[in-house]
Amino acid sequence: EVQLVESGGGLVQPGGSLRLSCAASGFTFSSYWMNWVRQTPGKGLVWVSRISNDGSSTSYADSVKGRFTISRDNAKNTLYLQMNSLRAEDTAVYYCARRGTTPDYWGQGTLVTVSS
Amino acid sequence: QSALTQPRSVSGSPGQSVTISCTGTSSDVGDYNYVSWYQQHPGKAPKLMISDVSKRPSGVPDRFSGSKSGNTASLTISGLQAEDEADYYCCSYAGSYTLFGGGTKLTVL
Repeated sequence: EVQLVESGGGLVQPGGSLRLSCAASGFTFSSYWMNWVRQTPGKGLVWVSRISNDGSSTSYADSVKGRFTISRDNAKNTLYLQMNSLRAEDTAVYYCARRGTTPDYWGQGTLVTVSS
Repeated sequence: QSALTQPRSVSGSPGQSVTISCTGTSSDVGDYNYVSWYQQHPGKAPKLMISDVSKRPSGVPDRFSGSKSGNTASLTISGLQAEDEADYYCCSYAGSYTLFGGGTKLTVL
């Protein structure tokens, strides 16, 4: 069974940093591109970032480019999102999702709140 | 990177059919056959209902179908059931980025 479990969310002050993790199991993690997608409470889904299966290729939404960094450790079956210079508008539930072209399996999400 | 355009809400009675549209541009929906649709119930993670414009993943009822014409994709739900009431999001791969629609709330009357 495919499982994705996010962690690392919490309350952080504006300008602060946070690193999210996504632990994957039930499939060959190193074979899949992975995504981060966020959802502001009560609002829609917004794609954040994507990484290739071997970590050599990454892409970002304009809204996070230069502030967020996606990475992965295939030996640990774990996806990461390093978030720096956080802003109030980054407040959201962050989901990791498998597969590059069509996110198929999603985790349950981790809530990030940026507030003073 | 503008969001895809979906109606904010649609509604239908049990047994009826509804169609949700998703309009993009020639750089996303119109250029790739990687349009997908997700169902999201409150407090839950999105669930993939349609991939690659019209493919249904295993376990998704055949009441759900997808199509695309030009820059507009559509999700049709036939034989509406109470459990279909949810938010629906379209999504399009666009090469260096991915776009989601703003979401459509489906109400089953």
